[in-house]
Amino acid sequence: GENVEQHPSTLSVQEGDSAVIKCTYSDSASNYFPWYKQELGKRPQLIIDIRSNVGEKKDQRIAVTLNKTAKHFSLHITETQPEDSAVYFCAARRPGGTSYGKLTFGQGTILTVHP
Amino acid sequence: GAGVSQSPSNKVTEKGKDVELRCDPISGHTALYWYRQSLGQGLEFLIYFQGNSAPDKSGLPSDRFSAERTGGSVSTLTIQRTQQEDSAVYLCASSLLENYGYTFGSGTRLTVV
Repeated sequence: GENVEQHPSTLSVQEGDSAVIKCTYSDSASNYFPWYKQELGKRPQLIIDIRSNVGEKKDQRIAVTLNKTAKHFSLHITETQPEDSAVYFCAARRPGGTSYGKLTFGQGTILTVHP
Repeated sequence: GAGVSQSPSNKVTEKGKDVELRCDPISGHTALYWYRQSLGQGLEFLIYFQGNSAPDKSGLPSDRFSAERTGGSVSTLTIQRTQQEDSAVYLCASSLLENYGYTFGSGTRLTVV
């Protein structure tokens, strides 16, 4: 099955700096890559996603890039703010079969933005 | 409903007892998923329902775990003879179609004492 590795496990930055979180996946057939943000004690929420026919997607201060050849994708947060502090999860989904919709998640990155 | 609703929000149970966790997905969402999140850990897949298809149970950790989805809507996750290692937050998610992102519920925090 699919395996997703996420790095780093913790990331500490100063307010205003950029943050980058990277994920690699094992199944070259995977075609959908969402990112979720989970604040302390709250539910994970989808913040951005990318499909395999696109190399980059931006939404204000966040962007995701995908390298299908290398089987990795990254989340980029620019001009970080304290409210960006949370756990971020990447995920991947492979098409086809009875588990078409199932996401495989990375282990998460704890991002801390210091004022 | 407006979001994915899970109940109870917290459950403390004695080792060996059975528990039932409920998930009410967003109306019209055809796909429903259960995940488990242990303290400080990632999201572990448990089971997935899509329409009338047979569920994908490949993530259930033991035969003490089972789930059903009635009428294509509400789902119940049942854990029999609970063990301390079952303590975790159980998250339910739904999606409009299989190729859409998930909307998660707030989870049920299960503590087995």
